[in-house]
Amino acid sequence: QKEVEQNSGPLSVPEGAIASLNCTYSDRGSQSFFWYRQYSGKSPELIMSIYSNGDKEDGRFTAQLNKASQYVSLLIRDSQPSDSATYLCAAINTGGFKTIFGAGTRLFVKA
Amino acid sequence: DTAVSQTPKYLVTQMGNDKSIKCEQNLGHDTMYWYKQDSKKFLKIMFSYNNKELIINETVPNRFSPKSPDKAHLNLHINSLELGDSAVYFCASRELNNSPLHFGNGTRLTVT
Repeated sequence: QKEVEQNSGPLSVPEGAIASLNCTYSDRGSQSFFWYRQYSGKSPELIMSIYSNGDKEDGRFTAQLNKASQYVSLLIRDSQPSDSATYLCAAINTGGFKTIFGAGTRLFVKA
Repeated sequence: DTAVSQTPKYLVTQMGNDKSIKCEQNLGHDTMYWYKQDSKKFLKIMFSYNNKELIINETVPNRFSPKSPDKAHLNLHINSLELGDSAVYFCASRELNNSPLHFGNGTRLTVT
């Protein structure tokens, strides 16, 4: 079982729609979770951090964490073509030294 | 600018050669990392140093040797390069154990 799992996609949504990205993790001791966006040929950039169960909103982005289900999600409201990228889910392992990444979900937002 | 910077950006070399990638961060972070991203975009941790001390050494061939002369620098030396070493290598740093990573711009290594 992979430590952080994501649907590789691609996920295609029309402009203005809500994009929903999902992630599960296997390490029950993980306490810190992140969503990164990576454009082709670029480095990953942090979009959201979430540490507590529930929702965390930042602009058009909402991260959701459910530690009991070991599930993290990212919602992108009013999706724009510029949101087209690969979205990486990451979790810090028990012990806190490693950030483990999922394989990423490719998102396409159609104009 | 405060950042994680790595050089070179592109590295094209032949099998069997030895090459180095350099990384510097001016964020004042104690912990630095090397990650490898393969053609399928999977980011895999390779090494981590905390204040010049090696704390993570994943299952990486001995041909890869990291060196941290001080907590702001983490270099990666690769001996006897193989075709399978072709990938993008990212340097990253972070402030605390629960903090997100800050990435450098990556070094695209192509071994021919």
